[in-house]
Amino acid sequence: DAGITQSPRHKVTETGTPVTLRCHQTENHRYMYWYRQDPGHGLRLIHYSYGVKDTDKGEVSDGYSVSRSKTEDFLLTLESATSSQTSVYFCAISAGKVSQFFGPGTRLTVL
Amino acid sequence: AQSVTQLGSHVSVSEGALVLLRCNYSSSVPPYLFWYVQYPNQGLQLLLKYTSAATLVKGINGFEAEFKKSETSFHLTKPSAHMSDAAEYFCAVSGGSQGNLIFGKGTKLSVKP
Repeated sequence: DAGITQSPRHKVTETGTPVTLRCHQTENHRYMYWYRQDPGHGLRLIHYSYGVKDTDKGEVSDGYSVSRSKTEDFLLTLESATSSQTSVYFCAISAGKVSQFFGPGTRLTVL
Repeated sequence: AQSVTQLGSHVSVSEGALVLLRCNYSSSVPPYLFWYVQYPNQGLQLLLKYTSAATLVKGINGFEAEFKKSETSFHLTKPSAHMSDAAEYFCAVSGGSQGNLIFGKGTKLSVKP
């Protein structure tokens, strides 16, 4: 299995609070991605990174920001959490433009 | 723009029966195509991928998929279902310029004893 961890694995928070999710990889892959998974929607791309300090927006980026200061870490921040951001968040990594490998996910509940 | 359509959000088969999960794609360039499986409360695991080599792709756990350009399809099959195959299956196509994947909405496979 690809070395990808996500933390925390579960989080409950309140509307309006900031939340940061962490993705850590040990594979030294260049590309990292954040997706959210919601019933009936599959997985949708939030943000991605193609190198240290190089990031770009995905399909559903509103309300989210990211940072990548080291190859191994990709942080996703919800600046002011809303109930619509209740979801399961997956990080993925890729060495190139082919297979992506997914982390175990973070289940976030915003009350 | 690339897109993926998975026909049937739920598929139920009997143990030992053929599994057929359908996926059609839209792509303006030769695509890379993927099938992932997700077991309950777990992440996504790569089952198989098509990257423009053989059109019949064999994956893990006895699954295979055939790329048919004329039909823009990449259906997933397994000759004989096992109870352990019960999971959600996602078809994906390589999409954005940075290699991000475009996913279908998923098909939940149930296997009856």
